[in-house]
Amino acid sequence: AQSVSQHNHHVILSEAASLELGCNYSYGGTVNLFWYVQYPGQHLQLLLKYFSGDPLVKGIKGFEAEFIKSKFSFNLRKPSVQWSDTAEYFCAVNAPYNTDKLIFGTGTRLQVFP
Amino acid sequence: DGGITQSPKYLFRKEGQNVTLSCEQNLNHDAMYWYRQDPGQGLRLIYYSQIVNDFQKGDIAEGYSVSREKKESFPLTVTSAQKNPTAFYLCASSIGQVGPRDTIYFGEGSWLTVV
Repeated sequence: AQSVSQHNHHVILSEAASLELGCNYSYGGTVNLFWYVQYPGQHLQLLLKYFSGDPLVKGIKGFEAEFIKSKFSFNLRKPSVQWSDTAEYFCAVNAPYNTDKLIFGTGTRLQVFP
Repeated sequence: DGGITQSPKYLFRKEGQNVTLSCEQNLNHDAMYWYRQDPGQGLRLIYYSQIVNDFQKGDIAEGYSVSREKKESFPLTVTSAQKNPTAFYLCASSIGQVGPRDTIYFGEGSWLTVV
């Protein structure tokens, strides 16, 4: 069965610092990968997704993620964070030829201080 | 506006009582999902439905029940058999199977507290 691990549970950064949030999944077959963001008091929103093609995926608000198949990873990055990036970030994986389910990681809480 | 509506947003329940959380979508999506969100545990799938009158158990279905009598509605009942029902419940939907042209959209959630 597929699973997702997010090792950073809580990250604290100052504005303008660079961000990288780790995401590893455990499934050897074809996967679709997602990052969702949950801003305080708001519902989950899709940040970016990878299905195929260029392993470097660009999303909204300057975020990007790189799919490294050999490492089973899909880390989220942003070169310079802003206070408004304070949120909880969830990585998710779907194995389209195995199940329709979207499995989420435990989430990473990001706090950005001015 | 198109979207997913969950109600109520906040709900208190006494131990031993069943409670039903409503989820309605007007996106014409075939697939609907219920997740439970707990601090430090992320989102865990309770039940999902790919088509009307059909649904499957997710990873933590025990103590929950669902129905899918209409395409736009996917209510979740939290029964008294659920040992730790206090949580934030998220409903979601997608056009069909998650794929390149599709993604999952979430409602704003329902907070359930058992007192």
